[in-house]
Amino acid sequence: GPKVLQIPSHQIIDMGQMVTLNCDPVSNHLYFYWYKQILGQQMEFLVNFYNGKVMEKSKLFKDQFSVERPDGSYFTLKIQPTALEDSAVYFCASSLQQDTQYFGPGTRLLVL
Amino acid sequence: QQKVQQSPESLTVSEGAMASLNCTFSDGTSNNFRWYRQHSAKGLEVLVSIFSDGEKEEGRFTAHLNRANLHVSLHIREPQPSDSAVYLCAVSTGTGNYKYVFGAGTRLKVIA
Repeated sequence: GPKVLQIPSHQIIDMGQMVTLNCDPVSNHLYFYWYKQILGQQMEFLVNFYNGKVMEKSKLFKDQFSVERPDGSYFTLKIQPTALEDSAVYFCASSLQQDTQYFGPGTRLLVL
Repeated sequence: QQKVQQSPESLTVSEGAMASLNCTFSDGTSNNFRWYRQHSAKGLEVLVSIFSDGEKEEGRFTAHLNRANLHVSLHIREPQPSDSAVYLCAVSTGTGNYKYVFGAGTRLKVIA
């Protein structure tokens, strides 16, 4: 089926640093999403993005978070500055319309 | 706010026996339900999507939806050891049905 790639697969950084998580969505998809899963907990919606804009974000999407997809390249999630509670697996997803979302394998972020 | 719960937390079945997984949700106005599975360190694989009450079959996977009972189930016919994974129920919510609320998952183990 359609594949979403995420780079890197793992990232370890010090608290306070900036991190950028990259997502390579399915090529013709128009809607993009980030979800967060803390170890042992449910996956939770962070944000979705369409036509260059954030459509909706959850309360987990703190002011330190931002998303963009410049010129059809990677869809990125930037956290600046990072905090300990940002340690989690971040999943990217994409969809053609507002239908089935296809997920990447996740980026495991550890903030020390 | 939509809440999604899955049961059981874990399930072990013998190869060839039917596996049945359950998902309950709190808001019956949702009309998009999906089952995904996740193998370790891999992305989520969509198994079956269902949008109306009744049954939807995709290969060996069959979803049953009963919105009046706030329940959607997944049945796996003739499970194989390669079906061992975490199975996630996802309920779309929001105006455009683009935001997924996930359950915590059922960890399925199929033994030969």
